[in-house]
Amino acid sequence: AQTVTQSQPEMSVQEAETVTLSCTYDTSESDYYLFWYKQPPSRQMILVIRQEAYKQQNATENRFSVNFQKAAKSFSLKISDSQLGDAAMYFCAYRSSYNNNDMRFGAGTRLTVKP
Amino acid sequence: KAGVTQTPRYLIKTRGQQVTLSCSPISGHRSVSWYQQTPGQGLQFLFEYFSETQRNKGNFPGRFSGRQFSNSRSEMNVSTLELGDSALYLCASSPKGNSPLHFGNGTRLTVT
Repeated sequence: AQTVTQSQPEMSVQEAETVTLSCTYDTSESDYYLFWYKQPPSRQMILVIRQEAYKQQNATENRFSVNFQKAAKSFSLKISDSQLGDAAMYFCAYRSSYNNNDMRFGAGTRLTVKP
Repeated sequence: KAGVTQTPRYLIKTRGQQVTLSCSPISGHRSVSWYQQTPGQGLQFLFEYFSETQRNKGNFPGRFSGRQFSNSRSEMNVSTLELGDSALYLCASSPKGNSPLHFGNGTRLTVT
């Protein structure tokens, strides 16, 4: 079974600086999707960024980018120019291309942004 | 487009009761998934429905059930509530299998 591990329960960053959140996963599949979701206190899970495993190029969405290392099964999220509104729980998630009906989530990393 | 809507937002029940949670997906989305979120277990997959059919089910007891209607709205039912069922229940929809999930705000269930 696929598992997703986020080894950092909490992280903090100074406003305007850069922070990297780690995620590793375990799978025997070759084709899959990876996601980062953000959950602010409002509770709604918001998609931050997605990566298809067959794409070698790292995904980027404005201040958010990923470092996808397929061989190492690593999928870290980099947040540049951190803003107060980035404070939230961040979840890494895995979704199989073969059985894409359930998404596996990591335990989450709580990000604090200091003014 | 309206987002995923979950009702109610908060619910308090006592042990042994049953509860029904509702989820209206984004218009045009035919897949609806349910997740349970707790501080100890994190986000755990409950089940997924597509075109009124349950396609996949997580590792939860039979007290947890769901259904999907022809308009893609979904309900989740938990019978014989236990204290451990206290959690945030999240519903998510997507247009098709490999698309990202779009989540609602969740229903916070407290069992006393």
